[in-house]
Amino acid sequence: GENVEQHPSTLSVQEGDSAVIKCTYSDSASNYFPWYKQELGKGPQLIIDIRSNVGEKKDQRIAVTLNKTAKHFSLHITETQPEDSAVYFCAATHLYNQGGKLIFGQGTELSVKP
Amino acid sequence: DGGITQSPKYLFRKEGQNVTLSCEQNLNHDAMYWYRQDPGQGLRLIYYSQIVNDFQKGDIAEGYSVSREKKESFPLTVTSAQKNPTAFYLCASSIGASGKAGELFFGEGSRLTVL
Repeated sequence: GENVEQHPSTLSVQEGDSAVIKCTYSDSASNYFPWYKQELGKGPQLIIDIRSNVGEKKDQRIAVTLNKTAKHFSLHITETQPEDSAVYFCAATHLYNQGGKLIFGQGTELSVKP
Repeated sequence: DGGITQSPKYLFRKEGQNVTLSCEQNLNHDAMYWYRQDPGQGLRLIYYSQIVNDFQKGDIAEGYSVSREKKESFPLTVTSAQKNPTAFYLCASSIGASGKAGELFFGEGSRLTVL
C-alpha cells in the first residue's frame, strides 16, 4: 500500500521568510496530493491540492510542486506570517482506486517568529 | 452552518471500559472517516464508510468498531480491546462515494484519555 514520508518534523522561520515542506510517496499509481493545515485544537483543513496531471499549482502565498518521476511533492509558503504557524500534513491517494482513503505524512510543525 | 460535529471534545475513561465518540455531519456527504492522531505519527485511518450500512477497516481497526445506520452519523466505539486508546480522534467526511475522493472536511476532534 501507499506510504508517505514527510520532512522536516519541525520548522522554524522568521516572519517574511519562505518555508518548504517535502513529502515522498511510494505508490506510483497515486494521483492526488492534498495539503492540510491544522491549527491548535482544531481539525485539519485543506489548503491546496494537486493532481498528477500538473507539475505546479499556486494560490497566493502557497504553492505545491509535484515530481512524479521522483515521487515527491513539496509545499512552499512565501512571505510567512505568524498566522501560518500550525501543523501541516501532506497526503496521497489514487482518486478512483482507493475508495477515498488518504494516506497522510507524519506532519510538520511550522513556527513563524515575528 | 454546515459542518461536522464531534462530541465530546474531551473524554476520560477507565481501563476496561468501552467508550463511544459521536460524529454528525450536515453536509450531505456520502463518505465518512475516522482517523487517529498521535504525536509524530500523522493521521492514521481507523474505519471509513462510503455509504449507509457499509463500512471498511482502515489501517488500525483493531480494538475499534463503527456503525453507519444514518447518512449523517458515524459513531466510533473504542473498546477495551484497544491496547493504547489515549489519542486525539478526528472524524471527517467527503462528497465522494464509489471511490471518488476529494476534499476531506474534518471535525474539531475528540481527545480521549485513559486513566
